[in-house]
Amino acid sequence: KAGVTQTPRYLIKTRGQQVTLSCSPISGHRSVSWYQQTPGQGLQFLFEYFSETQRNKGNFPGRFSGRQFSNSRSEMNVSTLELGDSALYLCASSWDVSSGANVLTFGAGSRLTVL
Amino acid sequence: DAKTTQPPSMDCAEGRAANLPCNHSTISGNEYVYWYRQIHSQGPQYIIHGLKNNETNEMASLIITEDRKSSTLILPHATLRDTAVYYCIVRASQGGSEKLVFGKGTKLTVNP
Repeated sequence: KAGVTQTPRYLIKTRGQQVTLSCSPISGHRSVSWYQQTPGQGLQFLFEYFSETQRNKGNFPGRFSGRQFSNSRSEMNVSTLELGDSALYLCASSWDVSSGANVLTFGAGSRLTVL
Repeated sequence: DAKTTQPPSMDCAEGRAANLPCNHSTISGNEYVYWYRQIHSQGPQYIIHGLKNNETNEMASLIITEDRKSSTLILPHATLRDTAVYYCIVRASQGGSEKLVFGKGTKLTVNP
């Protein structure tokens, strides 16, 4: 079956611009979460969506936002880009289980460079 | 903060077993131990998880101590393609939010 698909894979923006990244989860997965990875901070949780609702949010400024559509596809947006937003943005999807183990499947990421 | 402690780096000879340790001394009774790995600039890849018992799959084995305060990921016959950063994560079993807290992981280098 198809994995988690993220688009675009690479993009370059300038400071002050905004960017939208897209994530298509594995078919049947209803939970989508986003992570930012930088050399200095490592992998950090941004937010998680389930059934079109944001269920959890990491410690990022309001410039970072996201949404999930009825087909579980998700987008994240970063407004007023700063140099420090240059990072690999990773999307992960999973089944949502009320208890027990739950495995996240990650996409290949979208590499954002802010100039 | 991450609830796990891992050595920053390890080396292993190709064809030998790679044993990656992880300390999680504050683990709760309902928390699973998960292992993911990340090959350079790719998304993390799930390897294995466990709660109390040792687990084995086609990729690796997971040995969890009886007190559950530490675990070891074993790659039985490491290959050059196993060179990656390996993350050990503990996470509660309740649903409601899929948030993984990644530490810095262990950079495993498999040498020819």
